[in-house]
Amino acid sequence: GQQVMQIPQYQHVQEGEDFTTYCNSSTTLSNIQWYKQRPGGHPVFLIQLVKSGEVKKQKRLTFQFGEAKKNSSLHITATQTTDVGTYFCAGGNGGSQGNLIFGKGTKLSVKP
Amino acid sequence: NAGVTQTPKFRVLKTGQSMTLLCAQDMNHEYMYWYRQDPGMGLRLIHYSVGEGTTAKGEVPDGYNVSRLKKQNFLLGLESAAPSQTSVYFCASSYGGLAGGFEQFFGPGTRLTVL
Repeated sequence: GQQVMQIPQYQHVQEGEDFTTYCNSSTTLSNIQWYKQRPGGHPVFLIQLVKSGEVKKQKRLTFQFGEAKKNSSLHITATQTTDVGTYFCAGGNGGSQGNLIFGKGTKLSVKP
Repeated sequence: NAGVTQTPKFRVLKTGQSMTLLCAQDMNHEYMYWYRQDPGMGLRLIHYSVGEGTTAKGEVPDGYNVSRLKKQNFLLGLESAAPSQTSVYFCASSYGGLAGGFEQFFGPGTRLTVL
């Protein structure tokens, strides 16, 4: 079945350093979504990428979708303590009715 | 708008007991989902519904049943709880399906422990 792999599993950074998490799918995706889950909280939607090679920015966050639509990345510039949490990518194959396959997430901790 | 709500927030069961988790959404969403989240495993889809009166199996459906009698509610049932079902359960809803690129809105979660 379809798998979505996400690395790294954990990332510890000093405040101000950059952070990147990578997502790879075993199959071509129709689109990919990114979610953030704060400690003790629930996943919250960040963004969706649909087009091959698409790049979207949200302030210090940059999201990319690979040309082959099988991989994606989230890059945070100059991390802040408010960035702490687990970041999940979630891909869909377009054939399912609303189903997403979630990666296992990257847990980010930021040292002030 | 309350968004997606889940009851209860916490529950402890003994092996073999049954219970029902309730999810409610006030956004008039067609699609609803139940996920479980275990440490290091991410979110895994248990069952989902594409509309009132419909349900379908997800990735890990065994040991669970669901019902969507009303559009705003999605119930998850455990008929005979097992320790392997100890997890955090999240309900989510979306306006449309993935083909339409709709984001999922998650509830606050239910933390279930089965002894």
